[in-house]
Amino acid sequence: SQQGEEDPQALSIQEGENATMNCSYKTSINNLQWYRQNSGRGLVHLILIRSNEREKHSGRLRVTLDTSKKSSSLLITASRAADTASYFCATDETGGFKTIFGAGTRLFVKA
Amino acid sequence: AAGVIQSPRHLIKEKRETATLKCYPIPRHDTVYWYQQGPGQDPQFLISFYEKMQSDKGSIPDRFSAQQFSDYHSELNMSSLELGDSALYFCASSLAPVSGYGYTFGSGTRLTVV
Repeated sequence: SQQGEEDPQALSIQEGENATMNCSYKTSINNLQWYRQNSGRGLVHLILIRSNEREKHSGRLRVTLDTSKKSSSLLITASRAADTASYFCATDETGGFKTIFGAGTRLFVKA
Repeated sequence: AAGVIQSPRHLIKEKRETATLKCYPIPRHDTVYWYQQGPGQDPQFLISFYEKMQSDKGSIPDRFSAQQFSDYHSELNMSSLELGDSALYFCASSLAPVSGYGYTFGSGTRLTVV
């Protein structure tokens, strides 16, 4: 991974449970984004949190950002089988024109 | 709404051949990014362009080159293809600086080198 590690690498839960994924990064950032990817498909932007924000919500998604620890978490509440996918965090480095992706968490939601 | 268009969707090439991947960004987006994603890997940043100029460069091999044209579409040229170049190649576009909507990715081009 170019940026850091995602934790856990794989997560298997039952439908209705909450899923929490963590991401760490290494550099100073402008913002952090979470993306979802179904197997072999394109990346879909879920949510963006700016470096001066600490928490953000979007539907069943809740993202937190701790810039002092260079970490973020993505919480998916009341998971559904359709949430099964890989989830990546990505960061926009300060002064750069690129987004660096973490290694991703593979989420399996069992019906 | 218009999305990022990549062509072709699939491409099969032999070793040492050349491939050209195309990316058409969302209208009015001025920044294009290229990523390579190997099987089971995270997307690796290759290169980006802002207003038709290279803006950042990642782990792009010297055998690869890219450019952004006056209509903002971009092409990734890959020469002397190797088996290890087999991957999904994604293009993304955005308005710089990135707004609250993040980057919009295309569906990718799956390149298979045989």
